Amino acid sequence: QVQLQESGPGLVKPSETLSLTCTVSGYSISSGYYWGWIRQPPGKGLEWIGSIYHSGSTYYNPSLKSRITISVDTSRNQFSLKLSSVTAADTAVYYCARTHGSNWVFDYWGQGTLVTVSS
Amino acid sequence: DIQMTQSPSSLSASVKDRVTITCRASQGISNYLAWYQQKPGKVPKLLIYAASTLQSGVPSRFSGSGSGTDFTLTISSLQPEDVATYFCQKYNSAPFTFGPGTKVDIK
Repeated sequence: QVQLQESGPGLVKPSETLSLTCTVSGYSISSGYYWGWIRQPPGKGLEWIGSIYHSGSTYYNPSLKSRITISVDTSRNQFSLKLSSVTAADTAVYYCARTHGSNWVFDYWGQGTLVTVSS
Repeated sequence: DIQMTQSPSSLSASVKDRVTITCRASQGISNYLAWYQQKPGKVPKLLIYAASTLQSGVPSRFSGSGSGTDFTLTISSLQPEDVATYFCQKYNSAPFTFGPGTKVDIK
């Protein structure tokens, strides 16, 4: 059974960098699929942030592209998100997820982690 | 970028009612459309992809249809456990945008 778990600080100060890691179990990232990050501000909808392949190939949401970096560590079976210059608008539940085969839809999700941007 | 809209934004229906939710893309996306269910306080769950393909384990009362710009999610007989917000997502090309959601509850 594929499982994903987000980890990282729950509170980040404005203008700083948000850093999260997703640890995957039950499946080797090196075996394939794209792995992504999605966020959901409290009480609002879902926003795709970006996705990465085990080779390091990435797709980013153009609306966030200047501020995000997604990386992968296949030796630890993890992938990570860095979002720079955060503001209160970046407060959200951040989910990591796996894409479903060759489709850019998300079939396995982590439980999500709330990141609050506040001084 | 292609924008996704959903209607209605919320609905209330009785148990066993047939419920239909609509998702519209601002440009044609062929059948690259997925539906997710998010129960209160829970993680989104993939229900349908390729507009009409049911994800493994999803009850058959859920169905999807459409192509191009107009899509529907139908619950043939609403059950209490279907109380949730439903999101569509287009995935023909990045960015993989979600619709704003439709909240479904029991009357």
